[in-house]
Amino acid sequence: GQQLNQSPQSMFIQEGEDVSMNCTSSSIFNTWLWYKQDPGEGPVLLIALYKAGELTSNGRLTAQFGITRKDSFLNISASIPSDVGIYFCAGGSNDYKLSFGAGTTVTVRA
Amino acid sequence: ETGVTQSPTHLIKTRGQQVTLRCSSQSGHNTVSWYQQALGQGPQFIFQYYREEENGRGNFPPRFSGLQFPNYSSELNVNALELDDSALYLCASRRTAGNSPLHFGNGTRLTVT
Repeated sequence: GQQLNQSPQSMFIQEGEDVSMNCTSSSIFNTWLWYKQDPGEGPVLLIALYKAGELTSNGRLTAQFGITRKDSFLNISASIPSDVGIYFCAGGSNDYKLSFGAGTTVTVRA
Repeated sequence: ETGVTQSPTHLIKTRGQQVTLRCSSQSGHNTVSWYQQALGQGPQFIFQYYREEENGRGNFPPRFSGLQFPNYSSELNVNALELDDSALYLCASRRTAGNSPLHFGNGTRLTVT
């Protein structure tokens, strides 16, 4: 089963809003990664984090590797319609096996 | 740079049958992993191959097996299919050296009836 707790499970965004999601684990990980998955496609890598405390940005996306190595968050600033999709966090250990959260589904608010 | 490609994109099989899914790694990547993604869930690790040998396995029974070829392409074989094997099967690859993240293909959607 899933080792990671990802929240929120779903969220609605309005264009221009900043959104945030996070992931926590009972286990320590050496790597945290964030992926986005659109319908009918595989997960696409957004940000990879390799060091506790690391804060990394990729355009409007910012992610941090928690100092305890048991959590990570992803922020999206000034959201746009194409930000809709399912976002997954993944924790990696030395063998590079990834453990995934259950995903955060982002939908545009009507 | 060519990404991870998988075939077929969709497949329908009957319970008890066997299936083979195929994957071509991203150019320059020598490690390949397979993941199973059930509907509404995150991917779950099946196994990983490096230098044509399995070097990591998740909580999946032996009827899930794989191969990696000298050109780093890979196959996932599932014997004695069960209804619960219906899922999206994702192949991912990476370089072994350094901090190289996994890159995924678009998957094969397997339906077992």
